[in-house]
Amino acid sequence: EVQLVQSGAEVKEPGQSLKISCQGSGYSFTTYWIGWARQMPGKGLEWMGIIYPGNSDTRYNPSFEGQVTISADRSVSTAYLQWSSLKASDTAMYYCARRGGGISGSLGDDHWGQGTLVTVSS
Amino acid sequence: EVVLTQSPGTVSLSPGERATLSCRASQGVPNNYLAWYQQKPGQAPRLLIFGASSRATGIPDRISGGGSGTDFTLTISRLEPEDFAVYYCQQYGRSPYTFGQGTKLEIK
Repeated sequence: EVQLVQSGAEVKEPGQSLKISCQGSGYSFTTYWIGWARQMPGKGLEWMGIIYPGNSDTRYNPSFEGQVTISADRSVSTAYLQWSSLKASDTAMYYCARRGGGISGSLGDDHWGQGTLVTVSS
Repeated sequence: EVVLTQSPGTVSLSPGERATLSCRASQGVPNNYLAWYQQKPGQAPRLLIFGASSRATGIPDRISGGGSGTDFTLTISRLEPEDFAVYYCQQYGRSPYTFGQGTKLEIK
C-alpha cells in the first residue's frame, strides 16, 4: 500500500527555521515525483514545487522560489520542505503528494500525505 | 504561468441532481494534463480525474471528466451525500503546476 506520512504540527516564532518531512512507503521512492502544496486557513490549494528523488531534479513555483527549499533523502525515502526564516504569513497546512506515472508524471497527484499544520506566531 | 479559472465559485444542488463544474485555462494545457481533486473539511485532497478524462482508482463511473485544450469539465451525474465538498482542477502539463481557486458544491 502506497503511503505518505508527514511530520507533526509545528508552532514557531517569526524568524525561526523549520524543516518538515514526508516519508514515502509501499513504492519505489526514487521513481516518482513528490510535490508540495500550501493551503492557508480557509483558502485554496497553491502549488509550491516538486522534486524527483531519483536525480534531485527540482522545480519551483516562482511565487515560492527563494522562500523555501525542497529536498529529498533517498536513503530514508523522505522528502523535505524547509524555511530558513519563517514569517507569520507562512501559517498554513502543507501537503505532500506523489505524482503518478513515474518520471513522466502523467497520472496526477495520486497519493497525498495527511498534511502538516505550521503555525508561525510571536 | 497557466492560470486556471473555475466556475461557479459555489453551486447548491440536491442529492440525485447532476453537477457540472467548469475549469478554464488561460492557455492550452500541454497533453491535456488536467486533474480534478475533491477535498472535504479536515482532509487531504483526493484525486478523481487525471489526463482530463481518466478516472483514478476507485472513483465511481458517475463521476466523469471531459474537455481539452483550455476548457474542461467535471460532471457528477447523480449526486450522493458524500459528493458535497470542494473541487479543484490542476494543470500539470507546464510548470508551475497551478491549481484553480476551487468550486464549493453544497447541499441545497
